[in-house]
Parts: sequence; structure tokens; C-alpha cells
Amino acid sequence: SQQGEEDPQALSIQEGENATMNCSYKTSINNLQWYRQNSGRGLVHLILIRSNEREKHSGRLRVTLDTSKKSSSLLITASRAADTASYFCATDSTTDSWGKLQFGAGTQVVVTP
Amino acid sequence: SQTIHQWPATLVQPVGSPLSLECTVEGTSNPNLYWYRQAAGRGLQLLFYSVGIGQISSEVPQNLSASRPQDRQFILSSKKLLLSDSGFYLCAWSITGYYEQYFGPGTRLTVT
Repeated sequence: SQQGEEDPQALSIQEGENATMNCSYKTSINNLQWYRQNSGRGLVHLILIRSNEREKHSGRLRVTLDTSKKSSSLLITASRAADTASYFCATDSTTDSWGKLQFGAGTQVVVTP
Repeated sequence: SQTIHQWPATLVQPVGSPLSLECTVEGTSNPNLYWYRQAAGRGLQLLFYSVGIGQISSEVPQNLSASRPQDRQFILSSKKLLLSDSGFYLCAWSITGYYEQYFGPGTRLTVT
């Protein structure tokens, strides 16, 4: 079963708008990561947030983590057509062997010019 | 810098035929290695992971197997493919002590 569940499943926005997607998970985690996948390609690591962090920024990306609600959000500001991709959250459970990640089903984002 | 290679990029195989997918990592030593499968429009399912040569952990019982004959080589195999084995197979690596994983370009497998 999947640990992380992204919401929404799909998101369509115009260039310049912000895109927000959420991830919920079920167990205690060491950290949460976000990955991007362009169609037919491998995943690319975007950002990692540790369980003791609440917010992290990287360029146009902003990630928040609420461990009390077991949820995270990814915000992409001033989106560009090149941001069109699927975005996945991945969690590293404290009860799992080290290095094992559980991925959600992803949010498919389409940015139109 | 580190790079990860997977081949072939695409593969069409009949049911009952064998399978061998290869993954190699360059530019790092003793990486942790992973095989994932992704069904269309879905997330990733971890199939196997390895923390060293000859050390393979299986996550999902099925007709697939994995081997790690060399430090930076990870092979996914099957003796007889099923229709349900179709999917996008991704290899990834990580460094011990770090949680980030780095993915290869993937192999699209279609079993007919």
C-alpha cells in the first residue's frame, strides 16, 4: 500500500500562477521528499524536509510539513511551462528499514503558456 | 559526477519469455541500489533493494528476481514474464546515510 497520497490528482494552471499540491501519510516519518517526473522519464529529487522542520525553500519551491496532521504541501511559485510534470511525495518511515521510501500516486501538473 | 544508466530503454516481450534489465551507476562506490515498478498513472512500487554486493532484499513476492554481481551493477530478471509484469521499471541509487534517491531514465516493458 502507498504511504503517501497526493491531492489533487491533477492540476491545470496558467504560466505565472502558483501551484499547490498536498501529501498525506500514515506513519511516523524521518523525513519527507518531493520528486518530479517528466513524462516517460525517471524521477528527479526536488527537496527533502526532515521531521523536525516545518518549512523549507529551494528556489521557486516551498515545502511545509505538519507532522501532527501527517501532511505536507509543495508550492511552486510563478509556474512555467517547463514545470509541467508529475510530482510525487515520498516518505521514509521510522518503522521501515533504512533507505526504503514509500511513494504516493502523484499529482499531474499541467502549466499552459 | 555520478550517473546512472539503464538499458534497454524500451522492450516488448511475449508472455513466458525471460527478462533481463540492467542498471549501472558511475562515479560512486558502494551505493544502495533499488528497483521500482511504476504502473501507468501510478506511484512507484519498490521491488528490490540492495545495500551491497550479494545483498538483496525483496519487497514483493512475484516472478521477478534481482542480482548485484558487481558493486555498481544491479540486474532485474525473470524466467517467464507475465502480462502483469508490464510497466515502467526504474532503477535508483542512494548513498548510505543520505535519504535522497537518484533515478535512472527507466525501461518501458510491454509484455504481449
